Amino acid sequence: DAKTTQPPSMDCAEGRAANLPCNHSTISGNEYVYWYRQIHSQGPQYIIHGLKNNETNEMASLIITEDRKSSTLILPHATLRDTAVYYCIVRVRNNDMRFGAGTRLTVKP
Amino acid sequence: DAGVTQSPTHLIKTRGQQVTLRCSPKSGHDTVSWYQQALGQGPQFIFQYYEEEERQRGNFPDRFSGHQFPNYSSELNVNALLLGDSALYLCASRIMLSTDTQYFGPGTRLTVL
Repeated sequence: DAKTTQPPSMDCAEGRAANLPCNHSTISGNEYVYWYRQIHSQGPQYIIHGLKNNETNEMASLIITEDRKSSTLILPHATLRDTAVYYCIVRVRNNDMRFGAGTRLTVKP
Repeated sequence: DAGVTQSPTHLIKTRGQQVTLRCSPKSGHDTVSWYQQALGQGPQFIFQYYEEEERQRGNFPDRFSGHQFPNYSSELNVNALLLGDSALYLCASRIMLSTDTQYFGPGTRLTVL
């Protein structure tokens, strides 16, 4: 599975959009991009995933660049409860999730 | 519909002992994976079970073993516990051969003294 690079930490003001970047320059054509988050000492929570096209659900939007070498997770209106570690993962269909260190997002009042 | 469940929630053992952790997958899921998460780090993949067999394994010693039962539930066994085995152990389930996502349980916090 391709390796991902994320900034170790980010801050965001409550009510503003949080944009979390992820670099996956070695991604191959059959690898999907997944985003999970983990709130302190809980199990990781699925957010969204995509292959090529941008995706949106009730939690977030995923923007994947045309060359697929990077992506951005967007939380449109961050709340204090969005404070968590966010993991970007790329994997082929049958493989399991391989986590990196993630980005620690702190939403501030 | 219950999600992934794990038991026990917390566990304290001493060095050299053996431990068994349990996981019930989300309804309809046939594949169970186990992860170890040390404090301050991301989850590390231990192994995956499908059709009652270990299918993939991460970089963990043979002291870590598992089992999957016909009802898809799973156990993780760790022998000869070391202080460094203290961690949050996470179970995740999904449907094999599907792009659908993997769902995680709340974890078992193991402390080795």
